[in-house]
Amino acid sequence: EPEVTQTPSHQVTQMGQEVILRCVPISNHLYFYWYRQILGQKVEFLVSFYNNEISEKSEIFDDQFSVERPDGSNFTLKIRSTKLEDSAMYFCASSQRTGRGYEQYFGPGTRLTVT
Amino acid sequence: AQRVTQPEKLLSVFKGAPVELKCNYSYSGSPELFWYVQYSRQRLQLLLRHISRESIKGFTADLNKGETSFHLKKPFAQEEDSAMYYCALRKTYNTDKLIFGTGTRLQVFP
Repeated sequence: EPEVTQTPSHQVTQMGQEVILRCVPISNHLYFYWYRQILGQKVEFLVSFYNNEISEKSEIFDDQFSVERPDGSNFTLKIRSTKLEDSAMYFCASSQRTGRGYEQYFGPGTRLTVT
Repeated sequence: AQRVTQPEKLLSVFKGAPVELKCNYSYSGSPELFWYVQYSRQRLQLLLRHISRESIKGFTADLNKGETSFHLKKPFAQEEDSAMYYCALRKTYNTDKLIFGTGTRLQVFP
């Protein structure tokens, strides 16, 4: 069964550095998402992406964040200048379509540690 | 604002005992409700959605609009049910984002 993949599984970076988290969604999916989970807290929506555009973003997704689909397979989340509070598990998800009954499939996550 | 509440962080039961993981939501419209499960070191995966009205791995969940609840139940817990369980809500217009609860860890002892 096809799965969403994410690399790396764990990223350690210093405060102020840029990081790029990578995701390969399921191949026939058209809708892509990033969520994050700070340790001990709930999974929170960051952004959704369709047709090479952001379709929705949360208040967390400020100017430090950006997303891109640089080729036909990858979907990336970039954090320009990381802060300590960006330490979290970042989940990518994809969906074939939106709307009632369509499931979002999650990747295994990237654990980002900012020191 | 929409919210999903899972009041229990941890639920411990013995194998064969009934399980009920509670989920309440606040949303004035007609939501779509889900249960996601995360086994140890694995990804989040969909367990149930309310519109399917199906039983998966012996689990069922019924949407109660009057009580705004979507509790997950299983009559006889198995050790392999031990995992994190997340209730999630999706509004049915204008957005595709999932709103998650904080999760309940289910531990099933032999």
